[in-house]
Amino acid sequence: SQQGEEDPQALSIQEGENATMNCSYKTSINNLQWYRQNSGRGLVHLILIRSNEREKHSGRLRVTLDTSKKSSSLLITASRAADTASYFCATDALTGANNLFFGTGTRLTVIP
Amino acid sequence: GAVVSQHPSWVICKSGTSVKIECRSLDFQATTMFWYRQFPKQSLMLMATSNEGSKATYEQGVEKDKFLINHASLTLSTLTVTSAHPEDSSFYICSARGLQDRFDYGYTFGSGTRLTVV
Repeated sequence: SQQGEEDPQALSIQEGENATMNCSYKTSINNLQWYRQNSGRGLVHLILIRSNEREKHSGRLRVTLDTSKKSSSLLITASRAADTASYFCATDALTGANNLFFGTGTRLTVIP
Repeated sequence: GAVVSQHPSWVICKSGTSVKIECRSLDFQATTMFWYRQFPKQSLMLMATSNEGSKATYEQGVEKDKFLINHASLTLSTLTVTSAHPEDSSFYICSARGLQDRFDYGYTFGSGTRLTVV
């Protein structure tokens, strides 16, 4: 399976704290993407980082990518209760399948 | 931005009946569409990839006769769950990828369909 893994599987923090989620993958990639999913809803694209990038920012989001370790992290700063959701990383493989492979996801709960 | 419309958003059907789920790209041509399945509190698992005008490519373990995929046009793909059983109850999500005026829309996801088979 090309599915990636994320840790932690679940994370519970207080509002205002930072949340860090990690993703490991198995193949060489074109890019890695992070998505958010509220319970029972569709996916919302958060950020895309290309294989030649090491760090990217978008608002309160900071993503890093280490292709040598095949890993990425998503940092959400100054968390809010509305950030409560599941977060998935997804890899766009360099060769082979023309589709995204999703990680196992991290369920984030931000306590007001 | 690119929009993918998926419907119905939820459906309840009786065991043994068939259910069709539609996925439409509204403002771009989707050369490739993907169908995912998601069980509660789990990740998305790719079921199949479909290219317009050709047969879908199914992932290992997905029954192509049970999950019929049609991608007859550049803006529409359908997934039909045939002879549904309670174990088919799940959240199904489509994704579309396409080019329009040489702009790569990347992957755009539908809002998902909650299927409950009773």
